Amino acid sequence: NAGVTQTPKFQVLKTGQSMTLQCAQDMNHNSMYWYRQDPGMGLRLIYYSASEGTTDKGEVPNGYNVSRLNKREFSLRLESAAPSQTSVYFCASSEGIHSPNTEAFFGQGTRLTVV
Amino acid sequence: AQSVTQLGSHVSVSEGALVLLRCNYSSSVPPYLFWYVQYPNQGLQLLLKYTTGATLVKGINGFEAEFKKSETSFHLTKPSAHMSDAAEYFCAVIRSGGSYIPTFGRGTSLIVHP
Repeated sequence: NAGVTQTPKFQVLKTGQSMTLQCAQDMNHNSMYWYRQDPGMGLRLIYYSASEGTTDKGEVPNGYNVSRLNKREFSLRLESAAPSQTSVYFCASSEGIHSPNTEAFFGQGTRLTVV
Repeated sequence: AQSVTQLGSHVSVSEGALVLLRCNYSSSVPPYLFWYVQYPNQGLQLLLKYTTGATLVKGINGFEAEFKKSETSFHLTKPSAHMSDAAEYFCAVIRSGGSYIPTFGRGTSLIVHP
């Protein structure tokens, strides 16, 4: 079972470069999320997509953009990378944000370093 | 807004000892609470969840948690630690207000000594 697949797993960028993190889920979930994980900070929500065609800002959206390409795919773009964006990024999905009895399923993460 | 606080960024136990990881939530309404585990270099996976009903919830790998409304707590326990339990543990609450979005605590790293 693939579940949630993220690419790439590792990436090193120079300050000012751009890149897109890809995420795809095969569980027919409605909602998808992007989190970043930093030491001592836990997981913080960057953006989420409640359903296909909608996206909304989370707790830390500055410097990022997202696209919900279709029901399966949700990408995260860094237009001009900064060292403060060095982090581990996780994509997750769930049945839907309007269903409280739901769990989130996570990808393996993308470890991004901006130098 | 609902949130969770995990007390202790690191917890160290000996193999075979009781594991207790603490989580308190802030909520004015009954919350939905989760515990996730993250093994090194992996994503998070669900250990257990509380939604409604029985306040003692059993999860995978021998873990359990008890929802205590009077203490606004949802502590995670395991009677006997194994080396394989060494991981990062996250408490999470579903944020209410029309959209149920997982909001995570800062995490607790469990260290298990031989």
